[in-house]
Amino acid sequence: ETGVTQSPTHLIKTRGQQVTLRCSSQSGHNTVSWYQQALGQGPQFIFQYYREEENGRGNFPPRFSGLQFPNYSSELNVNALELDDSALYLCASSLPGTGNTIYFGEGSWLTVV
Amino acid sequence: QQQVKQSPQSLIVQKGGISIINCAYENTAFDYFPWYQQFPGKGPALLIAIRPDVSEKKEGRFTISFNKSAKQFSLHIMDSQPGDSATYFCAASRSGGGADGLTFGKGTHLIIQP
Repeated sequence: ETGVTQSPTHLIKTRGQQVTLRCSSQSGHNTVSWYQQALGQGPQFIFQYYREEENGRGNFPPRFSGLQFPNYSSELNVNALELDDSALYLCASSLPGTGNTIYFGEGSWLTVV
Repeated sequence: QQQVKQSPQSLIVQKGGISIINCAYENTAFDYFPWYQQFPGKGPALLIAIRPDVSEKKEGRFTISFNKSAKQFSLHIMDSQPGDSATYFCAASRSGGGADGLTFGKGTHLIIQP
């Protein structure tokens, strides 16, 4: 049990639509990151938030955006959905002072049709 | 550019045998090397991790061996059990102010035959 909860678990969207995925971390986990995992691939880093500000980003376009809230919850928003956005989206959190120890949630499966 | 290369892509081991998965990295700034275990339909779970100041770390049946000069690290699963059947990912990251996230390998699908 990592204490990282994600919703929804599965959803289907149409190309061009927008989607919001949600994550709830354990109290005190003030660093949250999001990853995209395509089928049969390793997770790819999208971005990281620390104290409600984005402080790191992977090779993803601006239509991938996020928010982090004071209650340790966060959101991943994806605009103008493309078919290639179909993937498992993973939220991960870490405790301050634990270095890089990162714990993942179960993920949200997004299918774009 | 794939910064972490993982092999083999798939592996079949008999129950009780040793499973070995290898990874190589390119970025010398990496200083944290975790292994994750992922079951179908689940998120990755942290298994064991190592930093470059040691060459080996053991936790139960799981051992990481690290070769800094070769920029390689490996996971050994001793006395492999059917319950170990899963996909394993190596990863790497840098600490000390970097917010680049974890860079993952492509994964190894491990099957332990009873």
